[in-house]
Amino acid sequence: GDSVTQMEGPVTLSEEAFLTINCTYTATGYPSLFWYVQYPGEGLQLLLKATKADDKGSNKGFEATYRKETTSFHLEKGSVQVSDSAVYFCALSDPGGSNYKLTFGKGTLLTVNP
Amino acid sequence: NAGVMQNPRHLVRRRGQEARLRCSPMKGHSHVYWYRQLPEEGLKFMVYLQKENIIDESGMPKERFSAEFPKEGPSILRIQQVVRGDSAAYFCASSPDPRDGYEQYFGPGTRLTVT
Repeated sequence: GDSVTQMEGPVTLSEEAFLTINCTYTATGYPSLFWYVQYPGEGLQLLLKATKADDKGSNKGFEATYRKETTSFHLEKGSVQVSDSAVYFCALSDPGGSNYKLTFGKGTLLTVNP
Repeated sequence: NAGVMQNPRHLVRRRGQEARLRCSPMKGHSHVYWYRQLPEEGLKFMVYLQKENIIDESGMPKERFSAEFPKEGPSILRIQQVVRGDSAAYFCASSPDPRDGYEQYFGPGTRLTVT
């Protein structure tokens, strides 16, 4: 079945550092890929998405590129802020009939110190 | 526009009791999804409901778990005779028709602890 593997946390960075959170996937079809973010005490929010190979999703300074050849969708940000501290989830949906069914990674806790 | 509401946020039950988790979707959304996050695991799909219909319950345990989304009122996830292994965070999401590719909007979750 489909699965998502993402970088184990927690990740601790200083403000303005470069961030990478790795995410790889296995899927039977041609999935859409997502990054969700969960701030403390809140629900998951969609951060960015990509629906086909070589697409780059971007939002709030975060970017991720859909790499079909390496089955990866790594999240990057050039300069993190304290307000980026949250849990980040990589996810996929397989459009082959059950596109509503999201498959998530375990989540990566990011803490950014001033 | 209020987001997805879930209550309670924290629920403690003794083994053998029933747990009822509520989810109110965003205004205008008629599609609801429940996910479970066990400790050290990612969120796992449980069930997809439309008003008065269960569309896909392939992720629901076969026994003790049930879900509904009545014509009026919130969606309810019910766990009967809870066991320690049911301790988890339960997330609800809602969307417009997923066939149009709309994203799912998540609630803050209910943390269930079974003692």
